[in-house]
Amino acid sequence: DAGITQSPRYKITETGRQVTLMCHQTWSHSYMFWYRQDLGHGLRLIYYSAAADITDKGEVPDGYVVSRSKTENFPLTLESATRSQTSVYFCASRQGTDTQYFGPGTRLTVL
Amino acid sequence: QQQVKQSPQSLIVQKGGIPIINCAYENTAFDYFPWYQQFPGKGPALLIAIRPDVSEKKEGRFTISFNKSAKQFSLHIMDSQPGDSATYFCAATSGSARQLTFGSGTQLTVLP
Repeated sequence: DAGITQSPRYKITETGRQVTLMCHQTWSHSYMFWYRQDLGHGLRLIYYSAAADITDKGEVPDGYVVSRSKTENFPLTLESATRSQTSVYFCASRQGTDTQYFGPGTRLTVL
Repeated sequence: QQQVKQSPQSLIVQKGGIPIINCAYENTAFDYFPWYQQFPGKGPALLIAIRPDVSEKKEGRFTISFNKSAKQFSLHIMDSQPGDSATYFCAATSGSARQLTFGSGTQLTVLP
C-alpha cells in the first residue's frame, strides 16, 4: 500500500518557468492539502480540497494553482516560478478524523 | 501573522533528559492540538494530540500538557533517547476542513 506519494522528489527550475508538483493518494481520502515548509515558518497551508472539483485557498496561495479532477490526485502548479517559491512542498490527506497523513515531500529549487 | 508560536527553536538534551517544547495560540476557534514529528527527508507524522476539554494526555513517553485559560500547550518527552532526535511541530486545527496551523518547529537533539 503506497499511501500518499509525491513526484518529483527533487526539482530544479528557473525563474519564470511553469512547474507542476504531483500528489497521489491511494486511500480515497476526501480532503487533500498542500503545504510549504520554510525554516522559521514551519509548514504553511497553500491550498486544500474537500473533494474532486472543490478547492479553496489557504494562508499563502499567491503564485500557485491547484486542480482536482480525480479524488486521488491533487497537483500543484507554479505558473511562473519565482526564487521565493524555493521550498519543500508537502502534500497531505485526511478522511473522517483530524489526522492528516503527509507525503515525503518535494524539494524545489528556483534559480 | 503567526497564530501558533513555538519555542525554543532548538533544544539539546542528554539521553534520559526531559525536553519540553512550548506553544501558545491566539485563535480561540482552535479545537484540536496535535504534535507532529519529522525526521530528515521525511514528511511530518502525527505523534500525539489533545482536545481542549482535557488538561493532560500521555502516550508512552510523550505527554501533552494543556492550559486552556492561558492558551498554551506543551510537549514533554520522558526518558529521551537519541532516536527521538527530530523536528517537532505543534499545530492547531479549526474549520470544517480541519486545516492545520503549524508552529515554527523545534529541532531536538538527544545526545547519547
